[in-house]
Amino acid sequence: QSALTQPASVSGSPGQSITISCTGTTSDVGSYNLVSWYQQHPGKAPKLIYGGSKRPSGVSNRFSGSKSGNTASLTISGLQAEDEGHYYCCSYAGSSSLVFGGGTKLTVL
Amino acid sequence: VHLVESGGGLVQPGGSLTLSCAASGFTFSIYDMHWVRQTTGKGLEWVSAIGTTDDTYYPDSVRGRFTISRENAGNTLYLQMNSLRAGDTAVYYCARAIGWGEFDFWGQGTLVTVSS
Repeated sequence: QSALTQPASVSGSPGQSITISCTGTTSDVGSYNLVSWYQQHPGKAPKLIYGGSKRPSGVSNRFSGSKSGNTASLTISGLQAEDEGHYYCCSYAGSSSLVFGGGTKLTVL
Repeated sequence: VHLVESGGGLVQPGGSLTLSCAASGFTFSIYDMHWVRQTTGKGLEWVSAIGTTDDTYYPDSVRGRFTISRENAGNTLYLQMNSLRAGDTAVYYCARAIGWGEFDFWGQGTLVTVSS
């Protein structure tokens, strides 16, 4: 199972919106509405910020997820300095398996 | 909710290691649990899953070498790793699942280094 494809890096200025893409195949992202997104700060464990088509309680509504075909997307609106970090997507890939994306480093300029 | 991994360390190629994950603050027995690893400076990789009825799942990269298990009485998750390779070097996290790929709580991770 190949990793999902994410851009290596994205950047934006405070207040702007950015979108991180996560491209898979018809065997994973394209076949299931089971894509989750994680935020990770240096030295910390990943944190769930979007999953199962919804945000966990306590996560800012500035984070939103969507999917079109084989590509899922995470949009962060009103970018803040604290949003800087790495972001990973994860998709169910059938046959009780999971696949992660390679990760995207978000820089807030 | 608290998850604490232990058991990581340095092991030679071909060696074995067993990781533990002590769970507290929730009813451990009713949740699926997973192991996810992260190579230094790199991305995340799903390693294994165990359901509430002890059904287990693995990716091809570790199937036949790794065994996930759980002890509900002691609220502990395990990962037995055999025939370790340099490519298994990573920080190993245990995580509580609320859906496939949806992990709402993670441990702090334990580092496994496979090297001679």
